[in-house]
Amino acid sequence: EPEVTQTPSHQVTQMGQEVILRCVPISNHLYFYWYRQILGQKVEFLVSFYNNEISEKSEIFDDQFSVERPDGSNFTLKIRSTKLEDSAMYFCARRGTVRGNEQFFGPGTRLTVL
Amino acid sequence: QQQVKQSPQSLIVQKGGISIINCAYENTAFDYFPWYQQFPGKGPALLIAIRPDVSEKKEGRFTISFNKSAKQFSLHIMDSQPGDSATYFCAACLSYGGNQFYFGTGTSLTVIP
Repeated sequence: EPEVTQTPSHQVTQMGQEVILRCVPISNHLYFYWYRQILGQKVEFLVSFYNNEISEKSEIFDDQFSVERPDGSNFTLKIRSTKLEDSAMYFCARRGTVRGNEQFFGPGTRLTVL
Repeated sequence: QQQVKQSPQSLIVQKGGISIINCAYENTAFDYFPWYQQFPGKGPALLIAIRPDVSEKKEGRFTISFNKSAKQFSLHIMDSQPGDSATYFCAACLSYGGNQFYFGTGTSLTVIP
């Protein structure tokens, strides 16, 4: 199954700065997810995005976070004012099919907030 | 109620042995249970998944056993190989709505030659 690619692979930023993480689908998928994984911990759901709208979001996904698909292709996660605790791996995933439940994860972006 | 509990936290198995990882869930509405394999620095990769209408699913050396009444499911890796050394995560989700996955805490598997 083709997956998604993510850029950058590693992002280092200063606390309080804005970061944009990008997810690039291989083909024209409609259903995307963002998850994060703090080092050594479990993978946590942030948000699901279907047909250019947020479908569901977790408590982690507060006002500092936003998602969009600005050009109909790339799917972005923006963190407006980063905190130290935002340091984590961020994974984009796509749904296998609209009716299926499989999710295929990208390689992730490692975000380091200093 | 949305938690998925996973055990053990780490597991060491001899090459050729059977690796068993267990998960338990609370929400009886969950209806899709995948297992993911993750190597260091990589994203989780879908390994195998099961729905609650079957009690077992096998794909190659990997088998999921599902006990609906006990709200438990487990991953069995037969003939474990050093290349299987990775972190394994179970997950659960509701197939309607946003379809978010609730992940377990992970099991670090080491297969020694």
